[in-house]
Amino acid sequence: EAQVTQNPRYLITVTGKKLTVTCSQNMNHEYMSWYRQDPGLGLRQIYYSMNVEVTDKGDVPEGYKVSRKEKRNFPLILESPSPNQTSLYFCASSLASVHNEQFFGPGTRLTVL
Amino acid sequence: AQSVAQPEDQVNVAEGNPLTVKCTYSVSGNPYLFWYVQYPNRGLQFLLKYITGDNLVKGSYGFEAEFNKSQTSFHLKKPSALVSDSALYFCAVRAWSGTYKYIFGTGTRLKVLA
Repeated sequence: EAQVTQNPRYLITVTGKKLTVTCSQNMNHEYMSWYRQDPGLGLRQIYYSMNVEVTDKGDVPEGYKVSRKEKRNFPLILESPSPNQTSLYFCASSLASVHNEQFFGPGTRLTVL
Repeated sequence: AQSVAQPEDQVNVAEGNPLTVKCTYSVSGNPYLFWYVQYPNRGLQFLLKYITGDNLVKGSYGFEAEFNKSQTSFHLKKPSALVSDSALYFCAVRAWSGTYKYIFGTGTRLKVLA
């Protein structure tokens, strides 16, 4: 089954404790992206990647890191989480061409205390 | 600056009535427009998109959307709403800005009343 998977689905952590949210897709998509969803703000793009070893900042990259060493994986790293990073996070992927729709993962609900 | 606006936080409609969820955009260059739906505790699902050609595009679950270049709008429509259409709807635009970022609207919650 074609899908985007994220782990963990739920995470409660404390300020400053490094964490990684994994994202993997099995559709051989070139484009991958991370979003955060907050009430009243919709989805905001954190980082995206056009292909392996190519990443770029979205609209809200501060406090996040990403890497794209393999085509299928695009982990999101929070080196020193803060409470304002409490949010619902989505990973998505698509073919590279500009007119392709994205496939979304199920989401990761992160709480930073 | 590129942006997408969904002016209504919530739209209520009676089952069987037509529904419209509004979206306007501002981008430089040709826009590629998308609608996604989010059901509770789920990720977003693709509904439909406008790339080029016919201004009326048809998508999943009986939804359609009309692209209006002069009004820079891409409203989502359905002739007859179902209770099961109740969900959160997002409009998104993708446009060239050096690289292909996605910009999403803030979402509109659709509530279909039985």
